[in-house]
Amino acid sequence: EAGVAQSPRYKIIEKRQSVAFWCNPISGHATLYWYQQILGQGPKLLIQFQNNGVVDDSQLPKDRFSAERLKGVDSTLKIQPAKLEDSAVYLCASSLDMANTEAFFGQGTRLTVV
Amino acid sequence: SQKIEQNSEALNIQEGKTATLTCNYTNYSPAYLQWYRQDPGRGPVFLLLIRENEKEKRKERLKVTFDTTLKQSLFHITASQPADSATYLCAREVGNQGGKLIFGQGTELSVKP
Repeated sequence: EAGVAQSPRYKIIEKRQSVAFWCNPISGHATLYWYQQILGQGPKLLIQFQNNGVVDDSQLPKDRFSAERLKGVDSTLKIQPAKLEDSAVYLCASSLDMANTEAFFGQGTRLTVV
Repeated sequence: SQKIEQNSEALNIQEGKTATLTCNYTNYSPAYLQWYRQDPGRGPVFLLLIRENEKEKRKERLKVTFDTTLKQSLFHITASQPADSATYLCAREVGNQGGKLIFGQGTELSVKP
């Protein structure tokens, strides 16, 4: 079965610019997560979707970050405007549902803000 | 708030030995803990899940324990190999929040031939 697909793989932008990341989860997975992983740290949950609804976005900096999963499949995460401290790897993961939480991760998008 | 901590110091061991990684959590016991492996430049890969009522779980050369008294999980790799070198992440569920996971910072394991 195909894994979680993310693009782009790498992105370099200047501060105050905007950027968007795309994620295609494993087919049939209802739950989708976006994590931020800063170098040397574990992944930090930004937002969790169940189908096309938001379950948890308590750690999403909503003044600059937004995410959507309009049709309950693909998802996009946007940062506008970016700050230097947003430099990190952005990981998308999916799981079958909220009861079966074994998460399957994509390779991530490495964002560098200069 | 729920926290989860792993030994941030890298663990260096000799091939063939058993590697033991530690994960400590605070506050109430999670319904389950999960362990993941992460290689450089890759996303984490799920290894094992252990539930609160399970004291031990095994998968091939991997063994995980869950001690609710000590609020700790131990992750063991027996007969370690250089290919086991990676960062290992522990994650706890956050109760009643629909599968939300909090990850530790990970422990880097290096197995020398």
